[in-house]
Amino acid sequence: EDQVTQSPEALRLQEGESSSLNCSYTVSGLRGLFWYRQDPGKGPEFLFTLYSAGEEKEKERLKATLTKKESFLHITAPKPEDSATYLCAIYQAGTALIFGKGTTLSVSS
Amino acid sequence: EADIYQTPRYLVIGTGKKITLECSQTMGHDKMYWYQQDPGMELHLIHYSYGVNSTEKGDLSSESTVSRIRTEHFPLTLESARPSHTSQYLCASSGGRRDYGYTFGSGTRLTVV
Repeated sequence: EDQVTQSPEALRLQEGESSSLNCSYTVSGLRGLFWYRQDPGKGPEFLFTLYSAGEEKEKERLKATLTKKESFLHITAPKPEDSATYLCAIYQAGTALIFGKGTTLSVSS
Repeated sequence: EADIYQTPRYLVIGTGKKITLECSQTMGHDKMYWYQQDPGMELHLIHYSYGVNSTEKGDLSSESTVSRIRTEHFPLTLESARPSHTSQYLCASSGGRRDYGYTFGSGTRLTVV
């Protein structure tokens, strides 16, 4: 069964304290791994898509990487405005994206 | 500006009432989706559509129904609301290029009392 597991569930960081979020997945034939950011009371906002092991993408303080079993979202020198829930999802062929429960990041100044 | 809109944003309704959650997108996307999200839980797919007159049920057992008569419009209907339907409902759409991901609406927070 295709599934996505994210860890940790919650992460508290000081401003400038770099860290990583993990997304492990099981799927028969990965057709895309997606990262989204979700702010309270809003819908998820697309960040990155990764397709193959070794692929990396960056956007401001965020960098997403992919291996054959997991993806990491690295946050470098985070700021309070990076506080949000980060969701990982994989594309399930024939239907739609299936999501993990997310990691809620809190960055304090 | 191309976008996806959900109305209402918040709804409190009594048990047994019929409700329709509206979702419209202006991007011309063929594919549209409804997800249900409870606090601290993953998004669960409840319905999806790959085009006009095409609808399918997702993994989550749902008592809701959907219709897709126009490309831009994908409403979700609950014939008889129950307290167990209390949740956040998110609508999304996607275009031809998969690497663009989904565009989500802001959601409808439904409370059934």
